[in-house]
Amino acid sequence: EIVMTHSPATLSVSPGERATLSCRASESLDNKLAWYQQKPGLAPRLLIYAKSTRATGVPARFSGSGTETEFTLTISSLQPEDFAMYFCQQYNSWPYTFGQGTKLEIK
Amino acid sequence: EVQLVESGGGLVQPGGSLRLSCVGSGIGLSSYWMHWVRQDPAKGLVWVARINRDGSIMDYGDTVKGRFTISRDNAKNTVFLQMNSLTTEDTAVYYCARDHSTSTFVPFNWFAPWGQGTLVTVSS
Repeated sequence: EIVMTHSPATLSVSPGERATLSCRASESLDNKLAWYQQKPGLAPRLLIYAKSTRATGVPARFSGSGTETEFTLTISSLQPEDFAMYFCQQYNSWPYTFGQGTKLEIK
Repeated sequence: EVQLVESGGGLVQPGGSLRLSCVGSGIGLSSYWMHWVRQDPAKGLVWVARINRDGSIMDYGDTVKGRFTISRDNAKNTVFLQMNSLTTEDTAVYYCARDHSTSTFVPFNWFAPWGQGTLVTVSS
């Protein structure tokens, strides 16, 4: 099973600033990496798939990048609605696994 | 509004059974692979099961294999998860989620949209 590890666990950033969230895979993923946003009490929302492709309706301030095992979600200018949990998910190898998430909080 | 609506969760004793349902509202499910994913504070998000568009292919995570059964009724735009022999380890919020693949044999395995979730609590 591929293990997905987020860093940091909690990230404190001021509105308007850039946020950089990291996710590491224990094996190469062939770009099969997705990012989700989750707010309290709500379901996850897909932001990015195939490492860097924005899902429909996702603002351009969200971008994904990375290598075969190290991935980054960047939010270029944080808006109040962006403070939430963020999870990465690999779908290169069954079983498909999620990281434990990064909590993005207001500084 | 496009949404998936789950139902069927609740409190059940260890060894008991529950059947979860997921209905598409404003969204057609019949052409897509569908998945169940669960979430609890300890283990986080865990993929549970998937089914292809015509119900001929079903796959399960190791922790639920042999106990859970995924199925679908395309005429009712609904996907089900029958859960038997439940243990306290199955306590979680269960989400259904749509895949974007319309292939009969090859899912994409990333998920959008997700339902709002239904809570399953296994406790004596």
